[in-house]
Amino acid sequence: NAGVTQTPKFRILKIGQSMTLQCTQDMNHNYMYWYRQDPGMGLKLIYYSVGAGITDKGEVPNGYNVSRSTTEDFPLRLELAAPSQTSVYFCASARGLGSHEQYFGPGTRLTVT
Amino acid sequence: DAKTTQPPSMDCAEGRAANLPCNHSTISGNEYVYWYRQIHSQGPQYIIHGLKNNETNEMASLIITEDRKSSTLILPHATLRDTAVYYCIVRVEREYGNKLVFGAGTILRVKS
Repeated sequence: NAGVTQTPKFRILKIGQSMTLQCTQDMNHNYMYWYRQDPGMGLKLIYYSVGAGITDKGEVPNGYNVSRSTTEDFPLRLELAAPSQTSVYFCASARGLGSHEQYFGPGTRLTVT
Repeated sequence: DAKTTQPPSMDCAEGRAANLPCNHSTISGNEYVYWYRQIHSQGPQYIIHGLKNNETNEMASLIITEDRKSSTLILPHATLRDTAVYYCIVRVEREYGNKLVFGAGTILRVKS
């Protein structure tokens, strides 16, 4: 199993541009998550999904959108990039309710200038 | 979810046990204690979890006090590769979404 994969690894955006961060897991996990991590800080939850077609907001959802059309994929969309969205973005997955472990991807480092 | 308090940083000699403390004085009866670590900007990695009893796996041991207000993660023989940020998190086991709330964690530096 590849686990959780994220693309791209790095990206530089100009203010106002849009992009989609891709996340795929091959473990047939029901739950998926998007976090962001600013320098020197812990991770903050942006959005999460408990299954295909079901998404919900986390702590810091403003400026982002998600969709979950399949079990495997959970893309994160930035519509109008702002410098405040410069961060490292991590995707994670978990088997489901009651599972104790989240599996994290390698991250996408995004810079908005 | 209950809040946790961890020291910002700790040092440990290679080959010695690393003991990382965590305070969670407002923990409720159905909240588990979880530990994750993050090695140099990689994605966090699950280490161990526990409710009341002490737990051990191939990576670490978790000691939870009888009143559950604090816990200690023990890496029995720390290596240089254990240098990382360690996060202590409390969470209800069967909470909808199984969401994790990360604090700032403890930076553990293992030195030769």
